[in-house]
Amino acid sequence: NAGVTQTPKFRVLKTGQSMTLLCAQDMNHEYMYWYRQDPGMGLRLIHYSVGEGTTAKGEVPDGYNVSRLKKQNFLLGLESAAPSQTSVYFCASSYPIQRGGPDTQYFGPGTRLTVL
Amino acid sequence: ILNVEQSPQSLHVQEGDSTNFTCSFPSSNFYALHWYRWETAKSPEALFVMTLNGDEKKKGRISATLNTKEGYSYLYIKGSQPEDSATYLCAFRIWPSGTYKYIFGTGTRLKVLA
Repeated sequence: NAGVTQTPKFRVLKTGQSMTLLCAQDMNHEYMYWYRQDPGMGLRLIHYSVGEGTTAKGEVPDGYNVSRLKKQNFLLGLESAAPSQTSVYFCASSYPIQRGGPDTQYFGPGTRLTVL
Repeated sequence: ILNVEQSPQSLHVQEGDSTNFTCSFPSSNFYALHWYRWETAKSPEALFVMTLNGDEKKKGRISATLNTKEGYSYLYIKGSQPEDSATYLCAFRIWPSGTYKYIFGTGTRLKVLA
């Protein structure tokens, strides 16, 4: 099993450009998440999904959109990148408590995004 | 406002020393407390999940305890080794109803000196 994978690993954008980050998991997990990690801030939840076709806002959703068209994939989009979105982005998935799972989150390797 | 605090923010210990750090969380609506280990340039990996007051978990030289009534968990490392150098994160899960709430602390960064 590959676990949780993210593409790309690195990306540099100019202000105003758009891009999509792809997260894929092969563990049949119901829940998926996108976090950003900034120095001194810890992991902050951007958006999450509790199942195929559903998404919800997390702590810092502004400037991002997400889609979960297939259970195994969770896409994070930046429509018009801003320098404040320079960060490391982590995707995670879990088998939730509500389904009898441990709720432990499994993380991807991260995507380092720089917006100039 | 739900807040998870970890202390200390960072510490350096000598190889062979034992150490411990704290995760403080709200004691109301508690459901689970998770500990993760996060090595530099990697992604967080799960260490423990604890749900019951008084829980104790152990994995090798690392162990954790949980006090849900007073809202804290301790992580202990016995006989620290350089490979234990990492950031240790805790995450607090409230009762799983309504809006999803899974809040990470900012971590304790441990450096073990050889």
